[in-house]
Amino acid sequence: DTAVSQTPKYLVTQMGNDKSIKCEQNLGHDTMYWYKQDSKKFLKIMFSYNNKELIINETVPNRFSPKSPDKAHLNLHINSLELGDSAVYFCASSQQGAREQYFGPGTRLTVT
Amino acid sequence: GENVEQHPSTLSVQEGDSAVIKCTYSDSASNYFPWYKQELGKRPQLIIDIRSNVGEKKDQRIAVTLNKTAKHFSLHITETQPEDSAVYFCAANFGNEKLTFGTGTRLTIIP
Repeated sequence: DTAVSQTPKYLVTQMGNDKSIKCEQNLGHDTMYWYKQDSKKFLKIMFSYNNKELIINETVPNRFSPKSPDKAHLNLHINSLELGDSAVYFCASSQQGAREQYFGPGTRLTVT
Repeated sequence: GENVEQHPSTLSVQEGDSAVIKCTYSDSASNYFPWYKQELGKRPQLIIDIRSNVGEKKDQRIAVTLNKTAKHFSLHITETQPEDSAVYFCAANFGNEKLTFGTGTRLTIIP
């Protein structure tokens, strides 16, 4: 049973396109996150939702728009993709804010 | 600011030896310090964590120590094995909602 799942696992697209990544957790957690991991392996938080409400919005370009239809799902839509958006995007969830976080398998986005 | 520094960035140790990774944090109010292990091509996975009300925690071959006064904490892996090779991240909470991660340590165990 997968606790935190993401789709797709790989995404290759051209500059200027719009794409979405989906995340689902079946742990009953209240909080979900999006992280970006670049080629140097740095893990940077992008967004956090608690019970469908946005609570963290780091300095991310507004081309990135998260959406949480319910507390088990958190999607990430990216408009006008740029080369610098190439990275691995991880979804994560936790029961209570900044405590044990469980990560999804990641989505490797390559922008050409 | 919200800062977690991690050292070293790379570490190679002979199989069977110990490995130590150190982190410092900036916010004296931080009270939760997890460590994550990320194998190549995989997701980060929590391996051990410590809260500010304790100074040390052990789980088999891994242990974490915390010095709140100095605002630093360390991961210790004893009797290292090839499967310990991975990137390790420390993290600290800033407020109730956010973890900030260190920059990672690539640990290589030499057989």
